[in-house]
Amino acid sequence: ILNVEQSPQSLHVQEGDSTNFTCSFPSSNFYALHWYRWETAKSPEALFVMTLNGDEKKKGRISATLNTKEGYSYLYIKGSQPEDSATYLCAFYYTGNQFYFGTGTSLTVIP
Amino acid sequence: DVKVTQSSRYLVKRTGEKVFLECVQDMDHENMFWYRQDPGLGLRLIYFSYDVKMKEKGDIPEGYSVSREKKERFSLILESASTNQTSMYLCASRPLQVYYGYTFGSGTRLTVV
Repeated sequence: ILNVEQSPQSLHVQEGDSTNFTCSFPSSNFYALHWYRWETAKSPEALFVMTLNGDEKKKGRISATLNTKEGYSYLYIKGSQPEDSATYLCAFYYTGNQFYFGTGTSLTVIP
Repeated sequence: DVKVTQSSRYLVKRTGEKVFLECVQDMDHENMFWYRQDPGLGLRLIYFSYDVKMKEKGDIPEGYSVSREKKERFSLILESASTNQTSMYLCASRPLQVYYGYTFGSGTRLTVV
């Protein structure tokens, strides 16, 4: 079982604040990393698929960066809104057709 | 709208019962997965399948089995349910290529009493 760590475990921010969190993974044999958003009572939804060192992806106010050499990815949310409240998961592809999921960062945006 | 459908949202079963969790996808994906999610532990892979009648153990297969008789359907079976199998179960599918994300079902909250 691979160690995919996400930090912080939970986060409370005020509406309008920008925030970021981290996914750390083994830096060897990198293939792909996914970010998902999981809202309460819904299914996890894919945000980004990242494959190349230096990748930067953006979707609205949310963006992600990838550093495969040092084994981390950052997810940024600019100007957080209450609807951004969710658990954000990263998933690291290792081998054998498997992705390993982190334990997630739970974000609560306070109006 | 493409989707993964899990047959039950909430399920309560008694210890020792045989439990079937059904999952159907309509995207013609090769891969299908069963995860369980427990607080503080993240998503843990139980079993996955990359083709009809093929199955591979994940990280926590003990106490579970699976069946994939058709490409679109992947069933998780709890042979004799126990209280430590109380959990949220998520089914997911994905194309073979790693550059595509998972599509998840809405989950089944199973309580074993």
